[in-house]
Amino acid sequence: DGGITQSPKYLFRKEGQNVTLSCEQNLNHDAMYWYRQDPGQGLRLIYYSQIVNDFQKGDIAEGYSVSREKKESFPLTVTSAQKNPTAFYLCASSIPTGRYSNQPQHFGDGTRLSIL
Amino acid sequence: AQTVTQSQPEMSVQEAETVTLSCTYDTSESDYYLFWYKQPPSRQMILVIRQEAYKQQNATENRFSVNFQKAAKSFSLKISDSQLGDAAMYFCAYRRGGGATNKLIFGTGTLLAVQP
Repeated sequence: DGGITQSPKYLFRKEGQNVTLSCEQNLNHDAMYWYRQDPGQGLRLIYYSQIVNDFQKGDIAEGYSVSREKKESFPLTVTSAQKNPTAFYLCASSIPTGRYSNQPQHFGDGTRLSIL
Repeated sequence: AQTVTQSQPEMSVQEAETVTLSCTYDTSESDYYLFWYKQPPSRQMILVIRQEAYKQQNATENRFSVNFQKAAKSFSLKISDSQLGDAAMYFCAYRRGGGATNKLIFGTGTLLAVQP
């Protein structure tokens, strides 16, 4: 079955450490996204990528970095510059806009990141 | 900038009854799309229903329907014959149309409890 796989499900970060969250999709979607979810704040966009080797900052990109070397993969690195990384992180993918603008984003099961 | 507001942090409904979740949005665009997503305790985001702004007819998906009031910028979700499995966090989301990026703007969510 096609879908989005996020790993790990739970992740712990030590002070000053960079950690990488994995997101893989086999839906053949060109566009991929990373969201952060905090209690009472809904989902906020961190980074997004419309095509391989290209990505743009979202609303809260500071302290995060991404790469998009393959269509299927869009890993997110939470750097030591992100002072409050504890949150639930969701990865999504979709067909690009245009004729298919009403197509929804499909989400993975998420990764919960906590500080040790 | 576009914003999405969900003014009901929590709602409760009796099983088999009907409940309406509110959502308002602010935009100067005329071409856009609106979505309701459900997030059960498993934390996966599931698309419930979508509405194209250019369509006057309200979208319906089985027990789920929307009341789309474009002039009032309102997009409420009605759940009929509520079931225990409907208990979840519900997010309203907005996306620009017309070939713009597929970025979603989310509201802060409404936590729906279903009482047996």
